[in-house]
Amino acid sequence: ELVLTQSPVILSLSPGERATLSCRASQSVRSSFLAWYQQKPGQAPRLLIFNASSRAPGIPDRFSGSGSGTDFTLTISRLEPEDFGVYSCQQYGTSPVTFGQGTKVEIK
Amino acid sequence: QVQLQESGPGLVKPSETLSLTCTVSNYSIRTNYYWAWIRQPPGKGLEWLGSIYRSGTTYYNPSLESRVTMSIDTSNNQFSLKLSSVTAADTAVYYCARIGRVDWNQAYFNYWGQGTLVTVSS
Repeated sequence: ELVLTQSPVILSLSPGERATLSCRASQSVRSSFLAWYQQKPGQAPRLLIFNASSRAPGIPDRFSGSGSGTDFTLTISRLEPEDFGVYSCQQYGTSPVTFGQGTKVEIK
Repeated sequence: QVQLQESGPGLVKPSETLSLTCTVSNYSIRTNYYWAWIRQPPGKGLEWLGSIYRSGTTYYNPSLESRVTMSIDTSNNQFSLKLSSVTAADTAVYYCARIGRVDWNQAYFNYWGQGTLVTVSS
């Protein structure tokens, strides 16, 4: 199966700073079929980005996704207090769909 | 707004069968979207278990295929998961979700239930 590796494991930042999260695939992700989710403690994941760069409905434009092939990035331009949590990537270009292990964005 | 709610026992004994139901509200399960089960062991990443269509067509993760059975009840707007021969490794939060692309059995997930913790222990 296609393995997704996220880095860093933990990202410590202050509100207002820029966050850059990486997701690297063990093989090329077909058609950039990659999504990003945000998850807070005790809550279900929330879809942020699909097709590598398309924002889901209602997602603020400070969230952006980019990348292709094996390297993908989620950028949060200016961190808001509500943005802290765990971010996971997911590929759906190859069956079975798989998820990364997550990057925790915490308050510095 | 599509709403999903998982229900079922929170404790299952080793070697027994885990059974969960997902009830969908404010949206008909008879539309042309697949519905899925995903789980997350404590402190770990997410794992797709399988997807089911209104017709009953199923797709399962090969890693669990021998133990997973999904079914759908369109009259009650519900779908279900059974996982047999469970061990402690099956302890996880189990989520039901809707796939975000019409007629795709595997894609991103745009609606999720709140999740239910199932613990496997004697």
